[in-house]
Amino acid sequence: DTAVSQTPKYLVTQMGNDKSIKCEQNLGHDTMYWYKQDSKKFLKIMFSYNNKELIINETVPNRFSPKSPDKAHLNLHINSLELGDSAVYFCASSRSVYQPQHFGDGTRLSIL
Amino acid sequence: SQQGEEDPQALSIQEGENATMNCSYKTSINNLQWYRQNSGRGLVHLILIRSNEREKHSGRLRVTLDTSKKSSSLLITASRAADTASYFCATDAGGNKLVFGAGTILRVKS
Repeated sequence: DTAVSQTPKYLVTQMGNDKSIKCEQNLGHDTMYWYKQDSKKFLKIMFSYNNKELIINETVPNRFSPKSPDKAHLNLHINSLELGDSAVYFCASSRSVYQPQHFGDGTRLSIL
Repeated sequence: SQQGEEDPQALSIQEGENATMNCSYKTSINNLQWYRQNSGRGLVHLILIRSNEREKHSGRLRVTLDTSKKSSSLLITASRAADTASYFCATDAGGNKLVFGAGTILRVKS
């Protein structure tokens, strides 16, 4: 009965590969987010969707492409992975923008 | 640039002591939120305080907000080892998003 679940938890891959991270929430929230947390714990928003519509795209390289098939799911696909993409990626959801957010436990992406 | 900045960056206290963390921000806000992140886990929402509120309590947590100084503080009373975590403030800086600070790492020694 996890509220926000993301898979996989760990992702180790080589530079140049393409990978996807999946996120699902069972809270009935309208808004979902992807964040990137770097090694210094700084959390930066990447994308936000409200009712399947993209509302935030924070100057993220176009190698990153989010997809929201329905309002309970928000997936992140990353093409041509680079060393600098190594980080922890968090999915989150909230009832609406500016409301308390519920986070998944993160996907730790390591690029070899 | 970051909207919220926490102070101190790291704090180490003994179990039973109180822990105070501060957050400063730059622009006007509608609300300010505090989150906790345990090692290897996602952020957990602790408390939301609106711009027209000065103080809010939740269990052992007390949050204050001073909009004239653009600052907030989080006080954890009678700390426990389980309170060891990183604590983040987040503000609604406009643009349909929350902006998180860099966090305070709290270590409670038993």
